[in-house]
Amino acid sequence: AQKITQTQPGMFVQEKEAVTLDCTYDTSDPSYGLFWYKQPSSGEMIFLIYQGSYDQQNATEGRYSLNFQKARKSANLVISASQLGDSAMYFCAMREGRTGGFKTIFGAGTRLFVKA
Amino acid sequence: DVKVTQSSRYLVKRTGEKVFLECVQDMDHENMFWYRQDPGLGLRLIYFSYDVKMKEKGDIPEGYSVSREKKERFSLILESASTNQTSMYLCASSPPVTGPGNTIYFGEGSWLTVV
Repeated sequence: AQKITQTQPGMFVQEKEAVTLDCTYDTSDPSYGLFWYKQPSSGEMIFLIYQGSYDQQNATEGRYSLNFQKARKSANLVISASQLGDSAMYFCAMREGRTGGFKTIFGAGTRLFVKA
Repeated sequence: DVKVTQSSRYLVKRTGEKVFLECVQDMDHENMFWYRQDPGLGLRLIYFSYDVKMKEKGDIPEGYSVSREKKERFSLILESASTNQTSMYLCASSPPVTGPGNTIYFGEGSWLTVV
């Protein structure tokens, strides 16, 4: 069964420093997609970055990069040069390609606090 | 930009009331979803729909029903609200699933309190 685990309920980081948010997943499907979303206090879920299971390179989007370690089944989000506006909840998510159909499953989330 | 609009941001309802949460998307997406978000549990899928009048149960459908009479609109219905349905509800939409890479687009969420 597919599963997403985020073991860090909360994280603190100093402004302008880099931070890594952990995510591990479990699936038997060789085709899957991994996503990270940001949820500010307003409640809206904002798509950040995507990594496909067959992608050879780690995904990057501006200050966001995804450290994809397939053998370890981990998909950590790295935020470089943290900004105060990065304070939010962050969710890791996965969709299986063959067996998951329409379902995207989410981890419990990590709340990031950026300190000035 | 994709726009998913949830009609009510904050609602307070009484136990036993029938509650409607409305969601509209403007990108002609085939797929629409309702998730529930609770602290420490992340997002859990309640129902989804891949076409007009089509619906499928997600992981926690008990106590909920849905309606999709038009492509752009997906409604979540609590037939008889209970206090354990106090939560944040997120609507989402996506284009047809052609592979695992289709992201889903979320609305701003509806905070429901049942008293």
